[in-house]
Amino acid sequence: AQKITQTQPGMFVQEKEAVTLDCTYDTSDPSYGLFWYKQPSSGEMIFLIYQGSYDQQNATEGRYSLNFQKARKSANLVISASQLGDSAMYFCAMRDSMDSNYQLIWGAGTKLIIKP
Amino acid sequence: DTAVSQTPKYLVTQMGNDKSIKCEQNLGHDTMYWYKQDSKKFLKIMFSYNNKELIINETVPNRFSPKSPDKAHLNLHINSLELGDSAVYFCASSQGQGHTEAFFGQGTRLTVV
Repeated sequence: AQKITQTQPGMFVQEKEAVTLDCTYDTSDPSYGLFWYKQPSSGEMIFLIYQGSYDQQNATEGRYSLNFQKARKSANLVISASQLGDSAMYFCAMRDSMDSNYQLIWGAGTKLIIKP
Repeated sequence: DTAVSQTPKYLVTQMGNDKSIKCEQNLGHDTMYWYKQDSKKFLKIMFSYNNKELIINETVPNRFSPKSPDKAHLNLHINSLELGDSAVYFCASSQGQGHTEAFFGQGTRLTVV
């Protein structure tokens, strides 16, 4: 069965430091996509970055990059030079071809707090 | 322009009432969803709607029903509201069935008293 695991319920990081948010996944489908979303305290869900299972390179989007280790089935989000505005919940999600619902499978989220 | 908009943002209502949450997307996407986020922030799919095909999560009570007047709209109707229905409800849309990201509305915080 498809599954997403985020093992860090919460993290405190000093401003300007880099932070890695962990995500491991499980699927038997060779074709899948991995997503990271940010949910600030205001509540909206903001798409950050996407990694396809066949992508040869790790995805990057500004200060966000994805450390994709396919053999380990991990897709960790790296935020460089963290800012106070990065404080939020972060969700890892996956969609594969086996799910007829076209739905995203979600992790439980990591609450990131950036300290000044 | 807002890509996915849902209204209202906040909804407080009494037990037993019937309420609706509206959702509209202007992205031209062909798939829309409703998610429920509980107090522990866990996101759970309720419905997905693609090309007039509705796929229902079997754990969703039949008091919840989606209504799609056209491809750009997927409204959520809830009958006989219960205390346990209190949550944040998100509408989302995506293009196709591939590995494309879903865009979310701002969420509707429903409080049943």
